Amino acid sequence: AQTVTQSQPEMSVQEAETVTLSCTYDTSESNYYLFWYKQPPSRQMILVIRQEAYKQQNATENRFSVNFQKAAKSFSLKISDSQLGDTAMYFCAFMSSMGGGSQGNLIFGKGTKLSVKP
Amino acid sequence: AAGVIQSPRHLIKEKRETATLKCYPIPRHDTVYWYQQGPGQDPQFLISFYEKMQSDKGSIPDRFSAQQFSDYHSELNMSSLELGDSALYFCASSLGLMGGAPYGYTFGSGTRLTVV
Repeated sequence: AQTVTQSQPEMSVQEAETVTLSCTYDTSESNYYLFWYKQPPSRQMILVIRQEAYKQQNATENRFSVNFQKAAKSFSLKISDSQLGDTAMYFCAFMSSMGGGSQGNLIFGKGTKLSVKP
Repeated sequence: AAGVIQSPRHLIKEKRETATLKCYPIPRHDTVYWYQQGPGQDPQFLISFYEKMQSDKGSIPDRFSAQQFSDYHSELNMSSLELGDSALYFCASSLGLMGGAPYGYTFGSGTRLTVV
């Protein structure tokens, strides 16, 4: 069974600085999808960035980028120029691409609570 | 663009009562997923439906049941409610079982269930 581990329960960063959130996962599959979701105090789950395992190029979305290390099964999120609105819980998630009923289900890590300080 | 609609937004029930949560997927989406997020917890997969048939089942208690209707909306029925059922219940939809990949799927705003 796949597992997702986020080893940093809480982190803080000064506004305008850069922060990196860690995520490791365990799977025997060679092709899969990885995501970072943001959950602000409103509790809405918002997709931040995604990565397809068969693509070696790291995904980037504006101030958000990932460092995907497939061999190490690591998928960290870097937030540049942190803003107060980035304050939220961040969840790393895994999605299998294998057949069968588990398709499309997300397996989440425990989350990292990020606080951006002015 | 239309999103995933969940109703109600908030629900307060007493122990042993029954609750019904509804999820209206993005138009033309045929797959629905339900997740439960307890206080301070990560979301846990409950159940999914594809073309009105149950696709997969996660950590869903036997007291819970769900179905997907002909218009693709889904309902999660919870009976004999317990205090531990208090949680945020999310729904997501996609076109096809892997429609959530590689772009990830959109979650509804959730239903906050409080059991007292």
